[in-house]
Amino acid sequence: DTAVSQTPKYLVTQMGNDKSIKCEQNLGHDTMYWYKQDSKKFLKIMFSYNNKELIINETVPNRFSPKSPDKAHLNLHINSLELGDSAVYFCASSQSSWGLNTEAFFGQGTRLTVV
Amino acid sequence: DQQVKQNSPSLSVQEGRISILNCDYTNSMFDYFLWYKKYPAEGPTFLISISSIKDKNEDGRFTVFLNKSAKHLSLHIVPSQPGDSAVYFCAAGGTSYGKLTFGQGTILTVHP
Repeated sequence: DTAVSQTPKYLVTQMGNDKSIKCEQNLGHDTMYWYKQDSKKFLKIMFSYNNKELIINETVPNRFSPKSPDKAHLNLHINSLELGDSAVYFCASSQSSWGLNTEAFFGQGTRLTVV
Repeated sequence: DQQVKQNSPSLSVQEGRISILNCDYTNSMFDYFLWYKKYPAEGPTFLISISSIKDKNEDGRFTVFLNKSAKHLSLHIVPSQPGDSAVYFCAAGGTSYGKLTFGQGTILTVHP
């Protein structure tokens, strides 16, 4: 009974393709995030949604478009994939986006490889 | 500009000994701090947190210490066990930020 689940776990695709990663949480949390773990291993926030509304967009190229159909889902669509997009992408959720309730629960990650 | 840094990429300790993982931050607006543990091919899982109004928080074998004047926090694991072998991330947040900022992680290996 996974709390935060994301699919697929692995994704290998060619440059220029468009791909999506899906994320769902069953914790009843209001806030969901996408993080990217880059080659230097830092976990960097990309987007944050609170109750389906975008609240954080951290200078991510507009080829990345998050979509939140409801507060339990936050999908990430990537257009025109580039080699530099290769990374591990983590979805996460938290009870709220403010204060001490920002403890985030993470999915298992999606390893994206662009060839 | 990395506001949260873990300067030791790896740490190796013997089972039963203390593991000390360190983390430094630069933003004085951060007011709470968390440690996450990550096994290969899994997402990070929350371990322990501390608010800036405290300088110590303990949970079983895990203790987090916060030194606000030095902008430094550390995680102590006593006694260390082989199952503690993982990557440990520290993270920091502020009540007005709406997000967590993570360090780059430290690989802990506990030898039997």
